[in-house]
Amino acid sequence: QVQLKESGPGLVQPSQTLSLTCTVSGFSLTSYNVHWVRQPPGKGLEWMGRMRYNGDTSYNSALKSRLSISRDTSKNQVFLKMNSLQTDDTGTYYCTRDRRMYTTDSLDYWGQGVMVTVSS
Amino acid sequence: DIQMTQSPSSISVSLGDRFTITCRASQDIGNYLSWYQQKPEKSPKLMIYRATNLEDGVPSRFSGSRSGSDYSLTINSLESEDTGIYFCLQHKQYPLTFGSGTKLEIK
Repeated sequence: QVQLKESGPGLVQPSQTLSLTCTVSGFSLTSYNVHWVRQPPGKGLEWMGRMRYNGDTSYNSALKSRLSISRDTSKNQVFLKMNSLQTDDTGTYYCTRDRRMYTTDSLDYWGQGVMVTVSS
Repeated sequence: DIQMTQSPSSISVSLGDRFTITCRASQDIGNYLSWYQQKPEKSPKLMIYRATNLEDGVPSRFSGSRSGSDYSLTINSLESEDTGIYFCLQHKQYPLTFGSGTKLEIK
């Protein structure tokens, strides 16, 4: 069955770099797009960026200067790196995939999320 | 960027009542709109895709519709398990953008 699971540090110091991994199973990264979405505590959802099935990436312009998304298809993993973290980057980070192959669509499977706290 | 204006922000509804949430898109998004339910401490769950299509396993009391640039999620005959926060998402154009959310509580 389809699964996505985020992993990474729960605590990051201000100005440091966040590194998260999304490990997927039950589908191929070369057929489906994978997105990163985050949610500050008690607030709404923000789309961060996408790893396309063909390896292309798209980023939220508000984060583009700090954000990088990459992948390792042999390990079924998508990576997120974001530098210069500040306290307002605190929140839950999700990876999720498009519902259909080879296109952008609604997001049907989500990881459980990983809570990241930016604090010294 | 396409702005999604969602209303209401919160509402308390009686069991068995009908309830509608609306998202208005700032630009044409065709029917590239989906709805999600989020329970506390849980990941969002896809409820409706392409504006009007019920995701597998979602109860038939949920439905989606469109009128111009307004997209609506309706819950007929509200049940206690329907509480949570509901979000819309446009996936017509990057960056993808979410509505601000509607918190649904039982009266």
